Amino acid sequence: SQKIEQNSEALNIQEGKTATLTCNYTNYSPAYLQWYRQDPGRGPVFLLLIRENEKEKRKERLKVTFDTTLKQSLFHITASQPADSATYLCGGTGRRALTFGSGTRLQVQP
Amino acid sequence: GAGVSQSPSNKVTEKGKDVELRCDPISGHTALYWYRQSLGQGLEFLIYFQGNSAPDKSGLPSDRFSAERTGGSVSTLTIQRTQQEDSAVYLCASSPGLAGHTDTQYFGPGTRLTVL
Repeated sequence: SQKIEQNSEALNIQEGKTATLTCNYTNYSPAYLQWYRQDPGRGPVFLLLIRENEKEKRKERLKVTFDTTLKQSLFHITASQPADSATYLCGGTGRRALTFGSGTRLQVQP
Repeated sequence: GAGVSQSPSNKVTEKGKDVELRCDPISGHTALYWYRQSLGQGLEFLIYFQGNSAPDKSGLPSDRFSAERTGGSVSTLTIQRTQQEDSAVYLCASSPGLAGHTDTQYFGPGTRLTVL
């Protein structure tokens, strides 16, 4: 079955560094990937969408890549801040709806 | 404007009881999704409504789960004869419905269901 895999281990980095989160997909080829941010006790909030024919997309301090050869998307936050601490979810469009990964928790230390 | 709202925010029930969870989508959004999020897990798709089309129920885990959407707006997810494994956060999302599943989804805060 189609699957999105994200590193379940929390990522801890120092303020000001670049955070890089990984999303791998298997058993299908999503036409789009979406990234969402989820804070504790809240619903996910949309951040970025990238199409399979786009190599890279940027929005302020955020950058997403889509590598169809590696079947992988990378999500970067540059100049990270403690306020960026949250869980980040990757979702790939499928036949019926988005298939989401379990998310990666990012902790930015001041 | 108002976002997606869900009620109740928390629901504690006893095993075997029925529960109803409500979702009020953003006004004008024709697409509505229900997801389930268990502790430490990703979002599990449950059901999708788009306008007047027949809903996509392919994600419902058993026939104890059902959902309806009245008048193309409010949706209710019903779980009959609840089991402990139904304990999770149930999230609702709506989207404009203009670009199918690629539309940005706007999520509600979720309902935390605990089955004792």
